[in-house]
Amino acid sequence: KNEVEQSPQNLTAQEGEFITINCSYSVGISALHWLQQHPGGGIVSLFMLSSGKKKHGRLIATINIQEKHSSLHITASHPRDSAVYICAVRSPFSGGGADGLTFGKGTHLIIQP
Amino acid sequence: DADVTQTPRNRITKTGKRIMLECSQTKGHDRMYWYRQDPGLGLRLIYYSFDVKDINKGEISDGYSVSRQAQAKFSLSLESAIPNQTALYFCATSDVVSPLGQNHEQFFGPGTRLTVL
Repeated sequence: KNEVEQSPQNLTAQEGEFITINCSYSVGISALHWLQQHPGGGIVSLFMLSSGKKKHGRLIATINIQEKHSSLHITASHPRDSAVYICAVRSPFSGGGADGLTFGKGTHLIIQP
Repeated sequence: DADVTQTPRNRITKTGKRIMLECSQTKGHDRMYWYRQDPGLGLRLIYYSFDVKDINKGEISDGYSVSRQAQAKFSLSLESAIPNQTALYFCATSDVVSPLGQNHEQFFGPGTRLTVL
């Protein structure tokens, strides 16, 4: 089974700071997802990547396949970015068939004004 | 309107009761999933279905059953609820995986908060 570790587990920062959340996994994957879980509980997909880097607004996701590591960056952080950020990987070792996911425990981010 | 809906959104029940959580989707996806989320743990897969005739157990299926009534509907049942099934339950959908296994996003419902007393 793929082990997915996220760090830090909790992060509190001031508005405007550059934020980095890390994700590492133990075995090869076909894709990695970054998800955002709002305080109300809803989950939305931010990024899906299998190589390189993706950018959407103030969010940037990178992945290093050789090092089995991904980072999610938030530039110019804002209180509305406060949420739980979840890393999930797809691999043959995940349950759920060909596109099953193994999830990290999440990083709880709080951005203070 | 939301693409993936779950009912109920909140439910409090007692030990031993039978509970059904329902999921509907308008995305036209074949694949549907049920996950549970517990504090301090990642989401864990309970059951998944690749079409109406295909149901598979996930990592933590004991104590649960499912029904895929149609492409758009996937229900999760707790036959006899117990307190350690208190959790946040999510339904998700995805499209068919491409031959290269590329990049199929999962779309999540809003979640059902279940409390078993």
